[in-house]
Amino acid sequence: DTEVTQTPKHLVMGMTNKKSLKCEQHMGHRAMYWYKQKAKKPPELMFVYSYEKLSINESVPSRFSPECPNSSLLNLHLHALQPEDSALYLCASSQDSGGDYNEQFFGPGTRLTVL
Amino acid sequence: AQSVTQLDSHVSVSEGTPVLLRCNYSSSYSPSLFWYVQHPNKGLQLLLKYTSAATLVKGINGFEAEFKKSETSFHLTKPSAHMSDAAEYFCVVSPRNTGGFKTIFGAGTRLFVKA
Repeated sequence: DTEVTQTPKHLVMGMTNKKSLKCEQHMGHRAMYWYKQKAKKPPELMFVYSYEKLSINESVPSRFSPECPNSSLLNLHLHALQPEDSALYLCASSQDSGGDYNEQFFGPGTRLTVL
Repeated sequence: AQSVTQLDSHVSVSEGTPVLLRCNYSSSYSPSLFWYVQHPNKGLQLLLKYTSAATLVKGINGFEAEFKKSETSFHLTKPSAHMSDAAEYFCVVSPRNTGGFKTIFGAGTRLFVKA
């Protein structure tokens, strides 16, 4: 299995809702990433789990909360989002995060709309 | 510090003619460099990567890139464009031994292919 899967494909939520995005890979990769991509812009790195250790982009608001239950799964918990958080959220994984096998494989993304 | 500059926001070529997408980088660390392609409303697909082996890197779909340390460049080329190559292309630097957290995307180059 050489895929990164993400669910749901689309999500519409209100500003008071709590929702979660899910990401899964079965390639034995030990690093997983969350990115946010606005229209016509490059992806921006939000979080990295590398060997289950979390690194955070400090510009990301606390209404986004990542969780890595195990090395194959990555969640992004959403709470009290704002309309400007509407974007494509991409998950990626890599075999490792610092050596010769750090190329990232991306999922198809979740298109999030916040009303 | 790391940075990636894609020198053209848009490139337009005719089908069957060569493609050149330009990328310059700077990195305080030994860099891994990548090119990714993104078709509309899709995730990102890895075209090729440079770590520290051969400076001329061959990728998928006939693309290749040459790492030139003296020019700090990693330009992407293809001898003959196909209509299906029309997409957004991102040059990415991910310095090695930094846990993936310093991954930086260029702003992207939109490739148009005319029939």
